[in-house]
Amino acid sequence: GESVGLHLPTLSVQEGDNSIINCAYSNSASDYFIWYKQESGKGPQFIIDIRSNMDKRQGQRVTVLLNKTVKHLSLQIAATQPGDSAVYFCAETSLSYNTDKLIFGTGTRLQVFP
Amino acid sequence: EAGVTQFPSHSVIEKGQTVTLRCDPISGHDNLYWYRRVMGKEIKFLLHFVKESKQDESGMPNNRFLAERTGGTYSTLKVQPAELEDSGVYFCASSQDRWQQFFGPGTRLTVL
Repeated sequence: GESVGLHLPTLSVQEGDNSIINCAYSNSASDYFIWYKQESGKGPQFIIDIRSNMDKRQGQRVTVLLNKTVKHLSLQIAATQPGDSAVYFCAETSLSYNTDKLIFGTGTRLQVFP
Repeated sequence: EAGVTQFPSHSVIEKGQTVTLRCDPISGHDNLYWYRRVMGKEIKFLLHFVKESKQDESGMPNNRFLAERTGGTYSTLKVQPAELEDSGVYFCASSQDRWQQFFGPGTRLTVL
């Protein structure tokens, strides 16, 4: 598959439990952050985003937390389901610097078992 | 609404050959981006078009890569000549307002 050769950290959770995926970003000037989900054979799919003027944002079953002090981003998935199994990427960019270039993290593989 | 489409889904070529990848963005999206993930590495930005103009091509690895977006609709990415290290998955994304980039399924390129 696509991830051959890319040794991803893996998070294994039981169905119904909450999942927390963490990401450390690199650029203190980054002001926009996105979480993507990538299933096998597909491209990254947008999950949720957050701007740097916020520290928390909630979606349907997902919450993103941003800690600018330590340059840390997390994605919380409530009541994890088998369909949540995928590789999750955080991405950052600096829109205020007039660039749309996304800088991706290495990704975390989420495995959900029954 | 149709998403971002990419063609082909897979391409296997020999070192030294030429390959052209195509991306059709979501209709109406002026912004089009190319990214790639080579083996063992993260997804990396290649370049960004606004309509037919190259806004940022800072991620293009070398002059063997040529991206075009004539007419501001679909885009092509040509690799000529291909090298072994070009193998990977090439993603295209598009956005309307810069905030949300929608990705295509990718083209898996294998250079033998």
